[in-house]
Amino acid sequence: EAGVTQSPTHLIKTRGQQATLRCSPISGHTSVYWYQQALGLGLQFLLWYDEGEERNRGNFPPRFSGRQFPNYSSELNVNALELEDSALYLCASSLGGQGPLAQHFGDGTRLSIL
Amino acid sequence: GDSVTQMEGPVTLSEEAFLTINCTYTATGYPSLFWYVQYPGEGLQLLLKATKADDKGSNKGFEATYRKETTSFHLEKGSVQVSDSAVYFCALYPSGGYNKLIFGAGTRLAVHP
Repeated sequence: EAGVTQSPTHLIKTRGQQATLRCSPISGHTSVYWYQQALGLGLQFLLWYDEGEERNRGNFPPRFSGRQFPNYSSELNVNALELEDSALYLCASSLGGQGPLAQHFGDGTRLSIL
Repeated sequence: GDSVTQMEGPVTLSEEAFLTINCTYTATGYPSLFWYVQYPGEGLQLLLKATKADDKGSNKGFEATYRKETTSFHLEKGSVQVSDSAVYFCALYPSGGYNKLIFGAGTRLAVHP
């Protein structure tokens, strides 16, 4: 069984640009979660999508947004990039309704802002 | 609000030493508690979990007991190996749900031969 896959592995952008990160969940999983792991700040919950809808959102500005496609894959978009957006972005998936009790994580996308 | 506090790292041990990584939490009700491990260059892997008070989670020689009276979920291993070198995250899932895991800051463990 393929795990959660994220692309790209690394992404380098400059301030003000936009970044798009992608996540493919485990087959059969309908929920996708996004987390930001910034240096020194641990893991912060960003977004939760289930069945194509945004279900919950962490304490992040609106320039962090995303969507979930009919095949349950997901994109995270970050607009107007700032230096402090440099972080590892982790995606996780689970069967709908199981939530964190059964989340599986991808290896992450490292976003670097120059 | 709900939060998790972990001991600061790095923790440096020799192989076969005893490991304790402290984790305490603040939450209303009865959260579920987790330990995740992140090996270098990889994502998070669930190490163990406990969903109610006095439960003991265990996996790969690691153990943690859900102590509601002390609001703690300390991670222990009797004899660490070099391959255990990683960052360990304590996390809680609030009883209110909303599918939002709350993580501690992480503790880096380095095990030397």
